[in-house]
Amino acid sequence: QVQLQESGPGLVKPSETLSLTCSVSGGSITSYYWSWIRQPLGKGLEWIGYIFYSGSTNYNPSLKSRVTISVDTPNNQFSLDLKSVTAADTAMYYCARHPSASATKFDFWSQGTLVTVSS
Amino acid sequence: DVQMTQSPSSLSASVGDRVTITCRASQTIVTYLNWYQKKPGKAPELLIYSAFTLQSGVPSRFSGGASGTDFTLTISSLQPEDFATYFCQQTYISPFTFGPGTKVDI
Repeated sequence: QVQLQESGPGLVKPSETLSLTCSVSGGSITSYYWSWIRQPLGKGLEWIGYIFYSGSTNYNPSLKSRVTISVDTPNNQFSLDLKSVTAADTAMYYCARHPSASATKFDFWSQGTLVTVSS
Repeated sequence: DVQMTQSPSSLSASVGDRVTITCRASQTIVTYLNWYQKKPGKAPELLIYSAFTLQSGVPSRFSGGASGTDFTLTISSLQPEDFATYFCQQTYISPFTFGPGTKVDI
C-alpha cells in the first residue's frame, strides 16, 4: 500500500518561504504524477501544482509566481516551496499521487500537515 | 477556471438512509469527475473516478452518476462509517478544481 507523509515546519514567518517534503513509501515515485493541494481552515481545497517523476511541472496560475515543486527520485520524495508567504497561506497541506497529467484520479493522499504563517 | 459547486453543503441522515450528493461543473468536464471521502485526521480517500467507476476496495453501496455537467454520488444504505465530508474534483481542465464539500452527519 502506497503511503505519503509530509514533513516540514508547522510555523513560517510572513515573507519567508514555506517548504514541505512528501515522502513516498510502499511504491516507486517513478511513472506517476505527484501533486500538492491545500485547504485553508474553513475553506475549500485548492490544487497547487504537480510534478512528474521526470521533473516536468504544472502549476496553478493563481500561485505560479510563488511556487516551485521539485522531485528527488533516488529518495522517493518530492517537495514544495512557496515563497513570500502571508497569513492567507495558512492551511492544511496535502500531497497526492495521480497516474496521469489530466483526466486522472488522486488515488493516494497524505493525512495533511497544518502550516501556520505568523510572526 | 472550472467552478465546482456542491449541494447540499451539509445533511443529517440516519443509518440505512439513501443519500445523494450533487456536484455541478461550470462548463463541460466530460466525465472526468472524482469523488472523495474525508474524515478528520485522515487522508482523503478516493471513492469514485471518471464519474461512474468505483475505486478498488470501496464498498458497492457507493455509486456515481452523471448528466451533462451535473454529477451525483449516491450512498444506497448509509453505514456508521460513512459519516464524513464528501467532495468532488474535476481533472479535465487545468487547474484542477474541487467542490466545497458536503458534510454528512447523524
